[in-house]
Amino acid sequence: EAGVTQSPTHLIKTRGQQATLRCSPISGHTSVYWYQQALGLGLQFLLWYDEGEERNRGNFPPRFSGRQFPNYSSELNVNALELEDSALYLCASSPGQGTLLGNTIYFGEGSWLTVV
Amino acid sequence: KQEVTQIPAALSVPEGENLVLNCSFTDSAIYNLQWFRQDPGKGLTSLLLIQSSQREQTSGRLNASLDKSSGRSTLYIAASQPGDSATYLCAVGVNTGKLIFGQGTTLQVKP
Repeated sequence: EAGVTQSPTHLIKTRGQQATLRCSPISGHTSVYWYQQALGLGLQFLLWYDEGEERNRGNFPPRFSGRQFPNYSSELNVNALELEDSALYLCASSPGQGTLLGNTIYFGEGSWLTVV
Repeated sequence: KQEVTQIPAALSVPEGENLVLNCSFTDSAIYNLQWFRQDPGKGLTSLLLIQSSQREQTSGRLNASLDKSSGRSTLYIAASQPGDSATYLCAVGVNTGKLIFGQGTTLQVKP
């Protein structure tokens, strides 16, 4: 069974541009999480989608946005890129309602975003 | 505000040693606690999940314990191997549905 898949693996963008990252959850999972892992800063929670709706959002500016599609895949968009947005962006999935129902969270391999 | 701390930040041991990684959290109102492994430049691999009502979970050479009242969890690795070298992260599931992570312990097992 396929795990959480993310694309692209690597992305290089210029400051001010927009980046779009994509995530396909494990089959049957309806919850999708996005985390940012910047060098030396640990994993920071970005967004949580469940059943197509945004359930929670981390302390990030509005230029970080996303959505979840009817097939439960998800997209993370980062507008007006800044140098400090350079990081590994990790997507994770779980069965419905994630940790609230005691579900294991499974992570993908991540997308490396470099802003120059 | 929930905070998760992992001590030590780095650990180097010879092959074959048994070792313990520590994780502490400030708010005992957690739903569960999950241990992950991360290899350099890679994603996270789930190792063990402990529900808030459980005391421990075991998988192979790994054993994780949870003491919710004292805000602590330990990951015990038996008979360590060089392939165990990685960063180990603990994360607590909270009532907002997200996981809050510690900064991790980077383990090196020397042959």
